[in-house]
Amino acid sequence: DSGVTQTPKHLITATGQRVTLRCSPRSGDLSVYWYQQSLDQGLQFLIQYYNGEERAKGNILERFSAQQFPDLHSELNLSSLELGDSALYFCASSVGAYTEAFFGQGTRLTVV
Amino acid sequence: GQNIDQPTEMTATEGAIVQINCTYQTSGFNGLFWYQQHAGEAPTFLSYNVLDGLEEKGRFSSFLSRSKGYSYLLLKELQMKDSASYLCAVRLHNYGQNFVFGPGTRLSVLP
Repeated sequence: DSGVTQTPKHLITATGQRVTLRCSPRSGDLSVYWYQQSLDQGLQFLIQYYNGEERAKGNILERFSAQQFPDLHSELNLSSLELGDSALYFCASSVGAYTEAFFGQGTRLTVV
Repeated sequence: GQNIDQPTEMTATEGAIVQINCTYQTSGFNGLFWYQQHAGEAPTFLSYNVLDGLEEKGRFSSFLSRSKGYSYLLLKELQMKDSASYLCAVRLHNYGQNFVFGPGTRLSVLP
């Protein structure tokens, strides 16, 4: 157990809908990262937050948004869902700049 | 841009040694990480190099040459459970500290 908690574990929804994925980082970790992993694909970096502020943005679609709250948990919002958004969404957290990131178990999103 | 390359697939025999290579071209390098990922599961941290040289951790070792933009992960005494994808990730040193992952190498360990 990495200490990073993601909910829900599985999510099935229809095209056009909106979903929210939640991540609780390890205790003491200030950085949260979101990644998307489609079937048999690599990890695609979406966005990073540090202590509530957005720090880096990857190839995140405009239909996607995220935020980190004062208690450091983070949410990834996906809207106007398309079939191609079906993927595993991972959250990871790290203490700071020079340490490894630990991954949650992921949320498997299926858009039908 | 950032570019990280790894072989797509490798096969090795139980008990053997395998070396998985990773080459990278990035700006603002601040460390290289190796992760193991079993299918459908979360990546788990294996090793970290920020300075040139070899880091050893049990059956796993990782090497880094920053001047060559090159790293490798060495797995010794392979076990069946080592069948997984191995991800090389570069941490970038910029305002937005983030990890950029390579495509991963799928390792199959055969009996």
